[in-house]
Parts: sequence; structure tokens; C-alpha cells
Amino acid sequence: NAGVTQTPKFRVLKTGQSMTLLCAQDMNHEYMYWYRQDPGMGLRLIHYSVGEGTTAKGEVPDGYNVSRLKKQNFLLGLESAAPSQTSVYFCASSYVFSSVSSFPFAYEQYFGPGTRLTVT
Amino acid sequence: AQTVTQSQPEMSVQEAETVTLSCTYDTSENNYYLFWYKQPPSRQMILVIRQEAYKQQNATENRFSVNFQKAAKSFSLKISDSQLGDTAMYFCAFMKHEGGNTPLVFGKGTRLSVIA
Repeated sequence: NAGVTQTPKFRVLKTGQSMTLLCAQDMNHEYMYWYRQDPGMGLRLIHYSVGEGTTAKGEVPDGYNVSRLKKQNFLLGLESAAPSQTSVYFCASSYVFSSVSSFPFAYEQYFGPGTRLTVT
Repeated sequence: AQTVTQSQPEMSVQEAETVTLSCTYDTSENNYYLFWYKQPPSRQMILVIRQEAYKQQNATENRFSVNFQKAAKSFSLKISDSQLGDTAMYFCAFMKHEGGNTPLVFGKGTRLSVIA
């Protein structure tokens, strides 16, 4: 049981290049999230998904796209990278609250190890 | 929209002493959950403690406890018998309850250093 994994762990891009970050979870979680972490800003939500085939915008969605074609995977795409997208990206997943009767599993979000992206 | 404020960017504490990290939040919701996450230098986000808003009793997890004041919208974390391994960034987070999990709203974090 690997939990939540992220690929790659590090990446350097040049302005204008594109890339996709992959998040995978093996816990059969319905919900998945992408956050970015910047110094002094905490974690901010980019996009999230409440199930296969569905996505929604978070607090800072501009410049990113996402897809959830399979339940276990949540992809974050940068079509044209900008220096402002230099950040650490975290993926997280969680159960659907109503499907889990026993606390504490109902609320917890499980985080991946993060991807450090630098755009030059 | 909900906001979470951590007013202490950095704190330090002597090993074996007690330290309290502050967190306040703003919401019009009545049903929600509050969390403290720890992020050590490894960057991994680790859940430290959680609190349901409908519970008056403060949550405790070993050396970690919270002081939850719902009316004041305050949620502080107390770490007793501080250990070197407690050195980390600590994030306070809010989640509203809408019948399903919703995304977390994080504070900006407090960097805690435990000094030997």
C-alpha cells in the first residue's frame, strides 16, 4: 500500500514549456486535490475532484488544467509554464465522508510527498 | 469564504518545555472541522490533531492538545514536553462539512524550532 505518490519529485522547466504532474493513490479514495505551497503562503488549492470524470476549480486555478480519467489518478497540467508557477505541488486524497462510518478516517486528507517545480 | 490566520511566523522553544501555537479562523459555517498539520524538513504533510466543531471537548493526542474556543473562533495547539523531532512548520487548517469532504483552507504556517 503506497498511499499517495507523485511523479516527478523534482523538475526544472523553461518559461513556455509544458508538463504534467501525476498523482496516484491506491486507497480507493473518491476525492483528490492539488495544492501549491509557496514561502509564507501556506498551501493553496488549485483544483480538486470529487470523483472520476469530475473536476472543479480551487482558489488559484489560472494557468493549470486537470484531468481525472481514472479514479486512482489525478493529473495536473501546465500548458505554458511561467516563473510564477515555481512552487512545491502537493496532491492529496480522501474518502467520501458519508461512505466511512468510523472516525477518524472520515475527514483525513492523505498527502503525497510533493513535487518541487522550478520555472526559469 | 473561510480564512485561517496564524499570527506567529516563527517560534522557538527549549527542549522539554511547552509551547502554544495560535490559530484563528473566520467562517459563517456552523459545521466544520479544524486540523493541525506538521511539515518537517522532509516536506511530508503529517496530520497532528483534529477537532470537530460540534464537540466542546478539546482534542488531545499524546503530547499535543488543542484549545478550541468556538465563539472566539480560536484553535490553538499546545505541544508539551517539546522534542527535537517537533521542529517543523505547523499549519492550521479548516474544512467545512457539506455532507462530504471539502478542500482544506490553510493558514500561512508557523515555523517551530526546538532548541536543545
